[in-house]
Amino acid sequence: GQNIDQPTEMTATEGAIVQINCTYQTSGFNGLFWYQQHAGEAPTFLSYNVLDGLEEKGRFSSFLSRSKGYSYLLLKELQMKDSASYLCAVRDGGATNKLIFGTGTLLAVQP
Amino acid sequence: DVKVTQSSRYLVKRTGEKVFLECVQDMDHENMFWYRQDPGLGLRLIYFSYDVKMKEKGDIPEGYSVSREKKERFSLILESASTNQTSMYLCASSLGVQPQHFGDGTRLSIL
Repeated sequence: GQNIDQPTEMTATEGAIVQINCTYQTSGFNGLFWYQQHAGEAPTFLSYNVLDGLEEKGRFSSFLSRSKGYSYLLLKELQMKDSASYLCAVRDGGATNKLIFGTGTLLAVQP
Repeated sequence: DVKVTQSSRYLVKRTGEKVFLECVQDMDHENMFWYRQDPGLGLRLIYFSYDVKMKEKGDIPEGYSVSREKKERFSLILESASTNQTSMYLCASSLGVQPQHFGDGTRLSIL
């Protein structure tokens, strides 16, 4: 079956670093995406990994290990505006751009 | 910037009604998607389309149908609305295997 797991909630302090983990078991794999979704808003694309390793984009980095079925999103120098849900999604191995989403991690950044 | 526009932010309908949710994108994307988002369940794919007049079932197509007569427009139809279809509905589009871009969502209540 298809399964993507992420923690339901996390809390972190402004200025700190937080790591949000995602593990997946899917029948196929053709890339992993991270999206950010503020309450009442559309999900917005953050990062994409298809090969093993770390992708860095400003304060946000994402890591992938395909052999372990594991990814994480690392947020540095946390700001209050980073309070949001973070969605992990796997693109299956087919020819389409179909994504399978995890249930999301709600991150609360506290002063 | 890609713009994905959903016709309504909030919608209230009655059980048994036929409901139309409209989505328009302005970037000539060939792929379009309809999801529903429910607490604890994440985003689940209802239907997607990879070309005009083409459609594919997603993970939860029961009770829904779709229409794509023009490339920029993808409609989701609830044939006979039921209370368990009360949800947030999100439309997305993508160019090839590029990241999906989401609309702001329609919060649909079925009374």
